[in-house]
Amino acid sequence: KAGVTQTPRYLIKTRGQQVTLSCSPISGHRSVSWYQQTPGQGLQFLFEYFSETQRNKGNFPGRFSGRQFSNSRSEMNVSTLELGDSALYLCASSLEGLAGVDTQYFGPGTRLTVL
Amino acid sequence: GENVEQHPSTLSVQEGDSAVIKCTYSDSASNYFPWYKQELGKGPQLIIDIRSNVGEKKDQRIAVTLNKTAKHFSLHITETQPEDSAVYLCAASKTGGGNKLTFGTGTQLKVEL
Repeated sequence: KAGVTQTPRYLIKTRGQQVTLSCSPISGHRSVSWYQQTPGQGLQFLFEYFSETQRNKGNFPGRFSGRQFSNSRSEMNVSTLELGDSALYLCASSLEGLAGVDTQYFGPGTRLTVL
Repeated sequence: GENVEQHPSTLSVQEGDSAVIKCTYSDSASNYFPWYKQELGKGPQLIIDIRSNVGEKKDQRIAVTLNKTAKHFSLHITETQPEDSAVYLCAASKTGGGNKLTFGTGTQLKVEL
């Protein structure tokens, strides 16, 4: 099976712009989670989508949003970019997480640089 | 919410030695504990995980132990090799919390020849 894919791999934006990142989960996986990784804060949970609905949300401002499509592919959007949004954005997919916690498989990430 | 602490932040060992990384968690309801290996420029890769109904799990040179009473779990790597050099991340999660993982701050492991 193909792994989790994320596009684009690298992105450079300027403050105030907005950005959309894409994630395609492993075939058959219905849950997609997004994480932000920075040297200072480490890996932090942004949100999780399952069956096109946001099931979990971390402690990030409303500028961070996401959605999931019927084929389980997901996008996340960051509006009004700030310098502090520079980070590696990671997507992880898992089966369902209904009966318990399912193993999460990560993609390679999108490196976002905000100038 | 859940808080996961990980120690040490850096670990240097000689090739062939063992390496141990420890994590503690705060939420006693947590019941799933994965370990990930992250190489430079790549996403985290799952190397082993353990659920709270077992105390130890082993996969070749890698083992994880869990102490629910003390709320800590550890990663053990035996016979380390240079290719084991990477950042290791522990995480915790619980049933009913969806698939949200709370991560530790990571351990940079360096295996020296």
